[in-house]
Amino acid sequence: SQQGEEDPQALSIQEGENATMNCSYKTSINNLQWYRQNSGRGLVHLILIRSNEREKHSGRLRVTLDTSKKSSSLLITASRAADTASYFCATDASNDYKLSFGAGTTVTVRA
Amino acid sequence: EAQVTQNPRYLITVTGKKLTVTCSQNMNHEYMSWYRQDPGLGLRQIYYSMNVEVTDKGDVPEGYKVSRKEKRNFPLILESPSPNQTSLYFCASSWLGVAGVGSRELFFGEGSRLTVL
Repeated sequence: SQQGEEDPQALSIQEGENATMNCSYKTSINNLQWYRQNSGRGLVHLILIRSNEREKHSGRLRVTLDTSKKSSSLLITASRAADTASYFCATDASNDYKLSFGAGTTVTVRA
Repeated sequence: EAQVTQNPRYLITVTGKKLTVTCSQNMNHEYMSWYRQDPGLGLRQIYYSMNVEVTDKGDVPEGYKVSRKEKRNFPLILESPSPNQTSLYFCASSWLGVAGVGSRELFFGEGSRLTVL
């Protein structure tokens, strides 16, 4: 079952601007991950945040997790044309072997 | 180079003609999984495997079979493909964390685009 839902579905920004997207999920999780997918390519892991963490950074990426609201956000700062891609959140609802993905946010960075 | 390799990358077939999509990883991962991606639906899990000879259904297993005879390989079999199986398929693999697969990153193949006429 699809656990996470990203918002917005699509986002268009100017190069240099920040891009923020959100992920909401339904049930309690252990971990939440963000992935990037360039058009028609395989997904690439960006960052993992555990349920007991509130914020994590990796380069120009910042991820927050609010377990009380069952939501996460991904912020890409100082965006570049190469950031044009779809971004997916993925959650595991329990100690099992399923990682459920949302439908993704498509980000377009205009030069 | 660490990678997950899928073949074929593109395939057009006809209804009812059995086909196999192969997946191989060179990272000695225990966990392997198949997903299909359809517009607006994200990735949906078809089958997964925790180790050799251990497989289980995901969310959309109907019409698919898998096997895990070797650790590195996890083929996806469509015994009698139908047009509703037209999709983009991804194989992924991971180490198994003690807290479940969600505690480790998934490594994805480049995808196999399948069209069933």
